[in-house]
Amino acid sequence: DAGVIQSPRHEVTEMGQEVTLRCKPISGHDYLFWYRQTMMRGLELLIYFNNNVPIDDSGMPEDRFSAKMPNASFSTLKIQPSEPRDSAVYFCASSLGEISGYTFGSGTRLTVV
Amino acid sequence: ILNVEQSPQSLHVQEGDSTNFTCSFPSSNFYALHWYRWETAKSPEALFVMTLNGDEKKKGRISATLNTKEGYSYLYIKGSQPEDSATYLCAFAIIQGAQKLVFGQGTRLTINP
Repeated sequence: DAGVIQSPRHEVTEMGQEVTLRCKPISGHDYLFWYRQTMMRGLELLIYFNNNVPIDDSGMPEDRFSAKMPNASFSTLKIQPSEPRDSAVYFCASSLGEISGYTFGSGTRLTVV
Repeated sequence: ILNVEQSPQSLHVQEGDSTNFTCSFPSSNFYALHWYRWETAKSPEALFVMTLNGDEKKKGRISATLNTKEGYSYLYIKGSQPEDSATYLCAFAIIQGAQKLVFGQGTRLTINP
């Protein structure tokens, strides 16, 4: 398996633009997570899905952020409109079940100017 | 608010020496404790998942212990090698939301040749 695949690796965009981050989890993993990593706050959970259903989105900063998982092999995290404070590395991870380690993707480094 | 504390924040160790560091977490409603290794420019990689008080896990020269009653876990590295240089993250899950991991800020370990 190629692991968790995220795209793009890097994204630079202007304030106000829409940004879409993509993730392909490992086949057979029932859980998918979106995390944001910043120097100040470390790794923060934004949202997670179980069997394509959003379970907990309490970490999503505000209405500008949305996430979808239309099928077991694809998820998106959208920011609209983007702001400079959204600049961070966004990680997608997947796992098999409740007592399983996460497998992380390589992350998307987002810079909003 | 769940808080996971790791200490020290950073550590420099001479090659060949053994070392250990700590992860502290709330002892109530404990479900699982994860350890991850995060090398620079890569993504976090799962080392251990522990669930039972008194658990000990080992992978090569790295081992971990768990005390759920007092809320701490230790990670040990025996005979440090330069390739052990990384940030080591612990993450904690409670029963109510077993898949929702809260990550510590990590211990950055540097092995000096």
